[in-house]
Amino acid sequence: QSVLTQPPSLSGAPGQRVTISCTGSSSNIGAGYDVDWYQQLPGTAPKLLIYGNSNRPSGVPDRFSGSKSGTSASLAITGLQVEDEADYHCQSYDNSLSGYVVFGGGTKLTVL
Amino acid sequence: QVPPKQWGAGLLKPSETLSLTCAVYGESFSGYYWSWIRQPPGKGLQWIGEINHSGSPNYNPSLKSRVTILVDTSKKQFSLRLTSVTAADTAVYYCARLGTSFWGQGTLVTVSS
Repeated sequence: QSVLTQPPSLSGAPGQRVTISCTGSSSNIGAGYDVDWYQQLPGTAPKLLIYGNSNRPSGVPDRFSGSKSGTSASLAITGLQVEDEADYHCQSYDNSLSGYVVFGGGTKLTVL
Repeated sequence: QVPPKQWGAGLLKPSETLSLTCAVYGESFSGYYWSWIRQPPGKGLQWIGEINHSGSPNYNPSLKSRVTILVDTSKKQFSLRLTSVTAADTAVYYCARLGTSFWGQGTLVTVSS
């Protein structure tokens, strides 16, 4: 049971826009902690996609964008491409007994 | 940038102690927290704990009683010990600096009798 809640799976056709949600609570996202997003291709380590809620590291296409509101965060992918098929994980911090660093359960994105 | 390199035993029996080490190359070591994260097969990521160059650790409360993370700043290395392992500890273990793509290659640790 992850502290942050993500949909287990999503799918979309090439060219479409998809949004992955990450729902937390008042002890993590709602407490003002930043959210980072990671992309994990099969058999590889996670790669940072978005940091500080909405910032893209150098080299990440602007098709990827992040936002945060209240106790939730979202990752949007526009112009979906086949190579975007991967697992996506949100990560934040928590000030309760749930832990300190917390992750979502991950979302498997399938590009049809 | 050279990613961290990690190593350690990949097959353990129940009740044994998991031990992994992570080395950081060509990257500033001081001033950051370095984490261990694990991913059970087919599941999401779980943070195990972190340590900084001064040796101050933070642990996931759910694992705290069994986890020790140590640092050797002179070698730019940090290590993970997890005692009394069970099948539930089977996972790919990563060392990483969170908030970056600076992650180790991952080590599959299997606990089986």
